[in-house]
Amino acid sequence: DIQMTQSPASLSASLEEIVTITCQPSQDIGNYLSWYQQKPGKSPQLLIHSATSLADGVPSRFSGSRSGTQYSLKINRLQVEDTGIYYCLQGYSAPYTFGAGTKLELK
Amino acid sequence: QVTLKESGPGILQPSQTLSLTCTFSGFSLSTYGMGVGWIRQPSGKGLEWLANIWWDDDKYYNPSLKNRLTISKDTSNNQAFLKITNVDTADTATYYCARIAPITIAATYYWYFDFWGPGTMVTVSS
Repeated sequence: DIQMTQSPASLSASLEEIVTITCQPSQDIGNYLSWYQQKPGKSPQLLIHSATSLADGVPSRFSGSRSGTQYSLKINRLQVEDTGIYYCLQGYSAPYTFGAGTKLELK
Repeated sequence: QVTLKESGPGILQPSQTLSLTCTFSGFSLSTYGMGVGWIRQPSGKGLEWLANIWWDDDKYYNPSLKNRLTISKDTSNNQAFLKITNVDTADTATYYCARIAPITIAATYYWYFDFWGPGTMVTVSS
């Protein structure tokens, strides 16, 4: 099984700050990586797919990138509504696996 | 407009079979590349992928559930189903279904969950 190591587990940041969350797969997943945001009591919402493609309707301050085998989600100019838990998902090889999540709070 | 909604028994006893239904609109599971997945989340914990079914009836399961899972679909009625046999308290969770959206980039087929249902809570308790 492919393990997804997501970091940090939690993060406190200020408004307008730049935030970066990373996912490190245990093996190559060839850009089969998507990012989701989940707010309390709600279902996850797609942010990024195919590692770098912004989902429809998602603000452009969100972006995804890959450096070597590591994948990152970047939020430029953090807004109040960006708080929540963020998950990555590898869709390369079953069993498909989520990262453990990053809880993002406002400082 | 794509929507999905899960339904289930709410509560069931250990050793029973959990039957979940995902009723969706705005897309067809007979369309090339489309699919539906099931994901669960125990209260306060992370997401766990359970199973996917594709338009061509291809199916993938999470082996950690030790062959307890069966995913199926009814294309005519826009529904997908998940059964989990021999449940125990560890199966207590919110269960989500989500649409699998395909995309081809540089001749490579990718997929992801683009629309999710609101989830249905399932409690296993004696």
